[in-house]
Amino acid sequence: AQSVAQPEDQVNVAEGNPLTVKCTYSVSGNPYLFWYVQYPNRGLQFLLKYITGDNLVKGSYGFEAEFNKSQTSFHLKKPSALVSDSALYFCAVRPPSGSSASKIIFGSGTRLSIRP
Amino acid sequence: GAVVSQHPSRVICKSGTSVKIECRSLDFQATTMFWYRQFPKKSLMLMATSNEGSKATYEQGVEKDKFLINHASLTLSTLTVTSAHPEDSSFYICSARDSSGNPNSPLHFGNGTRLTVT
Repeated sequence: AQSVAQPEDQVNVAEGNPLTVKCTYSVSGNPYLFWYVQYPNRGLQFLLKYITGDNLVKGSYGFEAEFNKSQTSFHLKKPSALVSDSALYFCAVRPPSGSSASKIIFGSGTRLSIRP
Repeated sequence: GAVVSQHPSRVICKSGTSVKIECRSLDFQATTMFWYRQFPKKSLMLMATSNEGSKATYEQGVEKDKFLINHASLTLSTLTVTSAHPEDSSFYICSARDSSGNPNSPLHFGNGTRLTVT
C-alpha cells in the first residue's frame, strides 16, 4: 500500500535556526512528492514539489526539500526559520499514473512552531 | 495564480438538517475535484473524488448517501452533508487541479468550511 509518514507531530525551533520537517514515503515506482503548508482555518498552500531531476528542490518562502531515493525520504528544510513559518506542514505523494484524477496521499502533518 | 473558492467558510446548523458546501475553480477548469475532511488532530482524510458529469468516487468508509457530491460543471463541485449530526462537525476542504495543465501540477485548495452541528 502507498503511504506517507511524518514521524514528528511537532517541531520546535528558535527563530534564525535551521529547521527540518521529516517525511518518508512508500510508493511503488517513482513518486511525485509535494509539500503543503496550512495556516489556521485555511486550506493548504503549495510549497514545492519533486517530479524528476535535481534531488534538491527549492520552493516558496525560502523552503527547500531533498529527495533521497535510497532512504525514501523527502525532508523539508529551511536554513533560517522565521516566526511566520509557524504552521501545519503536510508532505504528500502522488503515485506515478499520469492521470490528473489520481489522488494524492497526505501525511499526518507536522506542526512547526518557531519561537522568537 | 489558480484560485479555488469554497463557500461558506463557516456554518452552524441544527442536528437533522442538511448543509451544502460549494467549491469553485475561479480561473481554470477542473474535471476532477477532491473533498477532504480534517479532524481535530490535524490529519487530512480524502472523502471522495468528484468527477464532472459522472458519479463521485468515495473512499472506503465514507457514506455516499450521507455526503452527496455533485459536479455539474467544470468549475463547480458541491458537497451536501445530509441529516447532519454533531459527529459530522469538522473542517471540510476541497481541492482541484487544472485539467488542461500538467497532471503533475499541484492541487489548489479552497480555504475550507468549518461545520458545526448543534
